[in-house]
Order: sequence, then structure tokens, then C-alpha cells
Amino acid sequence: SQTIHQWPATLVQPVGSPLSLECTVEGTSNPNLYWYRQAAGRGLQLLFYSVGIGQISSEVPQNLSASRPQDRQFILSSKKLLLSDSGFYLCAWRGTGTYEQYFGPGTRLTVT
Amino acid sequence: LAKTTQPISMDSYEGQEVNITCSHNNIATNDYITWYQQFPSQGPRFIIQGYKTKVTNEVASLFIPADRKSSTLSLPRVSLSDTAVYYCPLSGTYKYIFGTGTRLKVLA
Repeated sequence: SQTIHQWPATLVQPVGSPLSLECTVEGTSNPNLYWYRQAAGRGLQLLFYSVGIGQISSEVPQNLSASRPQDRQFILSSKKLLLSDSGFYLCAWRGTGTYEQYFGPGTRLTVT
Repeated sequence: LAKTTQPISMDSYEGQEVNITCSHNNIATNDYITWYQQFPSQGPRFIIQGYKTKVTNEVASLFIPADRKSSTLSLPRVSLSDTAVYYCPLSGTYKYIFGTGTRLKVLA
């Protein structure tokens, strides 16, 4: 069966510090991968998606970036965090030819 | 990819059937309609998907009229554990656009 991992589960970072969140998927090949952010009490905002290694599509112009160095690894980064980067970050995958997404447990990021 | 519109919140009582509607007037030909459930501090969980007419699985039914400009998620006999936020993003070739969802509260 397929599983998706995200870490860390929670993170508290000062403004201006760098960020690296990692997501890995097991049990599937060539998945579509997604990063979302959810502000408190709000809906999900799509940040990036990837249909293959090295292929990244950005949905929001921010100080965030994403990379996909391996087929089942997706990384979200920032060089300098802003207060507005606080939120719940969710990674998700979707199989080729399917329409349902499967989400990871999320990372709660607080920028202070 | 078209946005969807849902009621912000709904209340229901245990044992009742709940119908949550979603409006997607600008749905594209290749869009599928998907529904997700989210509990606090968890990622959304896929419930059901459909293209047209009616789809049923072990937890819900999805009704889609012929023009596909709306859809209705039906939850039979809800329980307290169904209290959650429900989203109806359209699924295009690669992307999903999640709205703000419907906050369902089930009362005892």
C-alpha cells in the first residue's frame, strides 16, 4: 500500500531564517506531487505541483520554492521566512491516470 | 481550473441525512468533481469522485446533474464523528483548486 510521510510535524522558526520541509511517498511510482498551505481557519492554497523529477509548477509568487530531486521526494524551501509564511503545510500525491489525492499528516509552521 | 462555491457552514443532528451542495458554473469538460473531508490538524481525506449522474460508495453518494454545474454530496445517517470541513475541488489534468469548504457540525 502507499504511504506518504512529512517531517517535521511541527516547527517554530524566527523571521528571516531558512526553511526546508520534506515529503516522501512510498509504494507508488511517478506520482504527481503537491504542496499546499492552509492558514488558520482557511481553505487550502496550492503552492507547487510536480509531474516528474525536476519538473515544478509554481502557483504563487512568494519567497518559497520547491524541488523534486527524486521520483518520490518533494521538498519545500525558503531562504528567508516571513511572518505570513506561518501555516499548516500539506504534501499530497496523486497516481497517474487517477483523480483522487492523498495527503500527508502535515507540518505546522509558526514563524515568530 | 474553475473555482467552486459552497455554503460556509451547516448544522445537523445525529442520524439525519446531510446534503452539501457545491456550485461550479465554469466546470470544464475534462474536470472531475471530487469531495474531501478534513478534521482539525489533519490532511484532507478523499471521500468520493464523479463525472456525471450518481456515484455511491460505502460512505457517501454524489449526485451530479446533466449540466454538471453543481454537485451534491449526501452523507446518510451522520454521527458526531462526521463533524468536519468538506471540500469539493474540481480535478483537472494536474491541478486542484480548493475553496473554503463547508463546516459541518453534527449535534447530539
